[in-house]
This record gives sequence, structure tokens and C-alpha cells, in this order.
Amino acid sequence: DTGVSQDPRHKITKRGQNVTFRCDPISEHNRLYWYRQTLGQGPEFLTYFQNEAQLEKSRLLSDRFSAERPKGSFSTLEIQRTEQGDSAMYLCASSRQSNQETQYFGPGTRLLVL
Amino acid sequence: AQSVAQPEDQVNVAEGNPLTVKCTYSVSGNPYLFWYVQYPNRGLQFLLKYITGDNLVKGSYGFEAEFNKSQTSFHLKKPSALVSDSALYFCAVRDDTGGFKTIFGAGTRLFVKA
Repeated sequence: DTGVSQDPRHKITKRGQNVTFRCDPISEHNRLYWYRQTLGQGPEFLTYFQNEAQLEKSRLLSDRFSAERPKGSFSTLEIQRTEQGDSAMYLCASSRQSNQETQYFGPGTRLLVL
Repeated sequence: AQSVAQPEDQVNVAEGNPLTVKCTYSVSGNPYLFWYVQYPNRGLQFLLKYITGDNLVKGSYGFEAEFNKSQTSFHLKKPSALVSDSALYFCAVRDDTGGFKTIFGAGTRLFVKA
């Protein structure tokens, strides 16, 4: 399978704990995106990487959220001191470098904060 | 600011009948428009996109969409619906001014009755 993969698929945590999610993009894609999706809503843009550089970041991404892509391949999204409002599906997508790119999405990580 | 509106939460259609899922958008520059479909417990799948050129775009699974610049719309259509088309459909937009933030609509649930 050469699609976008995400790990874990599900995460249950207690409020105040830190969590980290991983995304492995399609191998030849140098662009990577993180989104958050809550029930009944479309995906909301969080951040974007081109290779290892984080080029755009949403105001939704508070200082408790941090994302990295250290070698321009896989990416991690960390949420510190989780809150119940962080409960959502976290989606990762990747695309080729072109101004007309199609984003290919992973299956998502569903986070539940108790 | 970019925005996408999907005015219908749900569309119901009988199998074999034509279907339309509506989308209107607002962007600063020229739009790049996308349709994605989400099946239960699966990631978002790309259906089709409009970047430039012919206003009628053909995509996967027999779907097509028509770009209408004057009405700022990008409605998804299919001549003959299948029960297997039942899913959640998202319209998305990005503009050509240099940013990479893609805005998604809230989604429209399509229900095709046999």
C-alpha cells in the first residue's frame, strides 16, 4: 500500500496528557498537510509543510499544538496538555509540488479526550 | 477571505435519477476547486478538480462538476445515481495568490435510495 498512513488510528487520553500522532505521506510527495475534523464539519486546515519547512500555520493551532517534519518525510503532530475540546479526527494529507496539486488523505487519527 | 458553502446538509435521490450536490465559494484570486468523498470509516477520496480550462470537469466514478465563475459555483453532478454513491461529499477551494490553505465546506450527505 503506497497511500498516506497515520498512526495510531485511535487514541483515548485523559485531559492534561500529551499525545503525539504520526503521518507517513506518499513517498514522492514533498508537501504535507494536517487538518482537524469534528463531527458534522469539513476538515479545518491546521498546518502545511513543504519538505521539512513549516510554511503555513492556522490560528487554530494554539501554542499547545506543534508539528514537525524533521527530514522532509514523515511528520508528527503533538498536542500538549490535552483538553476535551481537542477531541476530533486529525487528518494528514500529502501532495506533489505543483500549483495544482491534488491532496491525498490518510485514514485519520481519532482522538478522544476524557 | 476564502469560504465555501454547501447549502444542503443532505440530498436524497432515487437510484437511476440524476443527482446534484451544490457548492458556492468565495476567494480573493482565481479559485482552485475540488470535490472529495468520504465513506464511513475511510479517508477522504479525491473525485475531481477545476484549475483552469473547460468549465465542465469530469472525475472518478462518473461524477462531473461545472465551474460557473459568474455564480461562483462548482456543483457536483452525476447523470444516474447508484446506491453505492451514498456518502459524505465535500467541496473545497484554494486560491492562486500563493498560500496553500485549502478551505473545505461542511459537507453534504448524499443518500441514494434503491
